[in-house]
Amino acid sequence: EVQLVESGGGLVQPGRSLRLSCAASGFTFDDYAMHWVRQAPGKGLEWVSGISWNSGSIGYADSVKGRFTISRDNAKNSLYLQMNSLRAEDTALYYCAKESVAGGFDYWGQGTLVTVSS
Amino acid sequence: SYELTQPPSVSVSPGQTARITCSGDALPKQYAYWYQQKPGQAPVLVIYKDSERPSGIPERFSGSSSGTTVTLTISGVQAEDEADYYCQSADSSGTPAVFGGGTQLTVL
Repeated sequence: EVQLVESGGGLVQPGRSLRLSCAASGFTFDDYAMHWVRQAPGKGLEWVSGISWNSGSIGYADSVKGRFTISRDNAKNSLYLQMNSLRAEDTALYYCAKESVAGGFDYWGQGTLVTVSS
Repeated sequence: SYELTQPPSVSVSPGQTARITCSGDALPKQYAYWYQQKPGQAPVLVIYKDSERPSGIPERFSGSSSGTTVTLTISGVQAEDEADYYCQSADSSGTPAVFGGGTQLTVL
């Protein structure tokens, strides 16, 4: 059974940093690209960042470019998101999502909540 | 930046057919994907590559594409189908994933 479990969310002040983690199991992690998708309270889905299976291709949404860094450790079956210079508008539930071989995201975690507030 | 446009809401009676559209300039060249999200839950992929249905998704869910518009069709809508639905695709400049604003499906 595929499982994606996010952790690392919490309350943080504007301008500070936070690191999210996603522990994957139930599939061959290093065969698949992985992504972070966020959802602000009461709002829609927003793609944040994605990383290829070997970290050779990485992309970011314009809203986080230069502040967030995605990475992965295939030996630990883990995905990460380093978030720096956090802003109030980064407040959201952050989902880890597995990319399907056919494109799209076929498995999602339950999310970890990040709240940026003073 | 690239946008996918969905109607904010669609309402249907049980047993009727619900159609949710998604429009975007790159859709003729990029596949579309559809997700169902119920309150307090993570999204679930219900259609991939415009019209393919993942295993475990009921046959009443189908997808189609025509020009710059893709459509999610739910035939014989059931109360359990009440949810938010999001389309997703890539744009032509390399952004791998863009989501539509979402459509709230209400089953009357």
